[in-house]
Amino acid sequence: DGGITQSPKYLFRKEGQNVTLSCEQNLNHDAMYWYRQDPGQGLRLIYYSQIVNDFQKGDIAEGYSVSREKKESFPLTVTSAQKNPTAFYLCASSWTGESSYEQYFGPGTRLTVT
Amino acid sequence: KQEVTQIPAALSVPEGENLVLNCSFTDSAIYNLQWFRQDPGKGLTSLLLIQSSQREQTSGRLNASLDKSSGRSTLYIAASQPGDSATYLCAADNYGQNFVFGPGTRLSVLP
Repeated sequence: DGGITQSPKYLFRKEGQNVTLSCEQNLNHDAMYWYRQDPGQGLRLIYYSQIVNDFQKGDIAEGYSVSREKKESFPLTVTSAQKNPTAFYLCASSWTGESSYEQYFGPGTRLTVT
Repeated sequence: KQEVTQIPAALSVPEGENLVLNCSFTDSAIYNLQWFRQDPGKGLTSLLLIQSSQREQTSGRLNASLDKSSGRSTLYIAASQPGDSATYLCAADNYGQNFVFGPGTRLSVLP
C-alpha cells in the first residue's frame, strides 16, 4: 500500500531535550511538508522540501530543523529552542510541477513536552 | 499574504439534512483549493481538489465549488450521515508553492 507513515504516534519528552519525528512516504512524491496543528487552529507550515538535499522555511520554522537526504524521508527535529513544542505534528507529500497537486497526509505525531 | 477563513466554526445538523460549508480566501490568485476531512486525533484525508481552471468537483455526496473572483469556495454535503461528523478544512494553494489552511468547521450530524 502506498502512503505516508509517521512515527511514533505519541511522544513524550522533558523540556530541554531535542526530539526527532519520523516521516516516510512511498508515493514517489517530490515534495514533502511539515505542519503543526494546535487546538482550534488551522495547520501552520514549519518546513517544506521540493527536492532532495533542499528545503525551505515555512511560517514557523524557529526552533525546528529538518533534513532531506532521501526522497522518501523528511525527519523533523524539535529543538530545545522551540518555546512551545507541545502540539500535533503532521507530515504531508505531493507531486510538484507547474500546477501543484493534492497533498497527502500522514496520521500525525502528538508531542507532549513537560 | 493569503488568509483563509471558514464559516461556521461549528455546525450541528440532524441526519439526512443537506448542508453547506464555506471557505473564503483573500488572494484570488490561487492554483488550487483542496478540501480535507479530519477525524479527532487523526491526520487529514483529502476529499476534493479544485484546480484554478475548474468551477467545481464532485465525489459521491460531496460537491465543492470554486469562485476565484469572489474568493470563495463551498463544500456541499448531501443527505448527511452520522459518519460525516468530523472537522472539515479547506486549503488554498498560492503560486504553486504551499497551501494555506483555514481553521476548519467542526460538523456534528445527529442520528
